[in-house]
Amino acid sequence: NAGVTQTPKFQVLKTGQSMTLQCAQDMNHEYMSWYRQDPGMGLRLIHYSVGAGITDQGEVPNGYNVSRSTTEDFPLRLLSAAPSQTSVYFCASSYANARGDTQYFGPGTRLTVL
Amino acid sequence: DQQVKQNSPSLSVQEGRISILNCDYTNSMFDYFLWYKKYPAEGPTFLISISSIKDKNEDGRFTVFLNKSAKHLSLHIVPSQPGDSAVYFCAACEGANNLFFGTGTRLTVIP
Repeated sequence: NAGVTQTPKFQVLKTGQSMTLQCAQDMNHEYMSWYRQDPGMGLRLIHYSVGAGITDQGEVPNGYNVSRSTTEDFPLRLLSAAPSQTSVYFCASSYANARGDTQYFGPGTRLTVL
Repeated sequence: DQQVKQNSPSLSVQEGRISILNCDYTNSMFDYFLWYKKYPAEGPTFLISISSIKDKNEDGRFTVFLNKSAKHLSLHIVPSQPGDSAVYFCAACEGANNLFFGTGTRLTVIP
């Protein structure tokens, strides 16, 4: 049981490049989400999914795309990276939703956009 | 605009004493509140939660208090232990799926 895994751990991009941050969970959780953490800002919700084929926007969705084709995976795509997207990204999963004690976070991906 | 605020970026406490971490919120639609603990290079881990229909919830050394009229919650850790040294985030739920985090308080427990 690996929990929530994220790859890569670190990534450096140039402005305008695209990339996908991977997130996978092996707990058969329906709810998955992406957050970004910036200094002095706490974690902010980017996108979330309540099940395969269902996604919705969070607080800061601009510049990011998501899809959920399987229960296990929830990739986050940056189509054209900008320096403002330099951040630490956390993926999380939960049995049902963001409430309660069942939400588990991955270890994070540190992204730098030059 | 930050809807959940933790006004103390850091707190230092002697081992064995009480740690009190505070959190304020502005959105009256929040009805569920959580505290997460975060160590460096790791994701946050759930600590304790409280529904808006309660004013207190305890779990071992951790107690969360909610004052809805003041839009304020606090986390008490007693007694504090060196292993409690971490960054603590409060978070508030609007509906089932939207979670808003505070900016975090770095707790240092001095042996």
